[in-house]
Amino acid sequence: EAQVTQNPRYLITVTGKKLTVTCSQNMNHEYMSWYRQDPGLGLRQIYYSMNVEVTDKGDVPEGYKVSRKEKRNFPLILESPSPNQTSLYFCASSYGELYEQYFGPGTRLTVT
Amino acid sequence: TQLLEQSPQFLSIQEGENLTVYCNSSSVFSSLQWYRQEPGEGPVLLVTVVTGGEVKKLKRLTFQFGDARKDSSLHITAAQPGDTGLYLCAGGGSNFGNEKLTFGTGTRLTIIP
Repeated sequence: EAQVTQNPRYLITVTGKKLTVTCSQNMNHEYMSWYRQDPGLGLRQIYYSMNVEVTDKGDVPEGYKVSRKEKRNFPLILESPSPNQTSLYFCASSYGELYEQYFGPGTRLTVT
Repeated sequence: TQLLEQSPQFLSIQEGENLTVYCNSSSVFSSLQWYRQEPGEGPVLLVTVVTGGEVKKLKRLTFQFGDARKDSSLHITAAQPGDTGLYLCAGGGSNFGNEKLTFGTGTRLTIIP
């Protein structure tokens, strides 16, 4: 089954404790992206990657890192999480010139 | 940042009624995508429109891209409870290329049986 998977689905952590949210897709898509979704603010793009070893900032990159060492994986790294990074995070992959997004199921992160 | 405003923010109507939701911007987009998101899940693509004035139909859903490619609408005929969800529009930026999508804040639709 073609899909985007994220782990973990739920995470509660404390301020300053480094964490990684994994994302993997099995569709051989070149493009992958991370979004956060907050009430009243909608989906905002954090980082995106056009291909292996190629990443670029989205609209809200501060406090996040990404890497793209393999085509299928695109982990999101929070080196020192803060409470304002409490949010619902989505990974997505895409192909083609219209970049129609295939989303993962989401990761709900709470930073206390 | 190019902004997409969706209206209304919330809409609750009876089963069988018709409705229209809107996605507006002051910026021109090269393409416009519509997604539906259900609780606990990621958004799912419904349709993409790319040409000014384009109309696409998906069963009871009709999508239109404005002539100037700055706005779009979604019309649902004879709404069903299964149409309940958060509807999101997303624009592919003509300034940055389609790879940098801008999402609207969404319209949360509830269909009452």
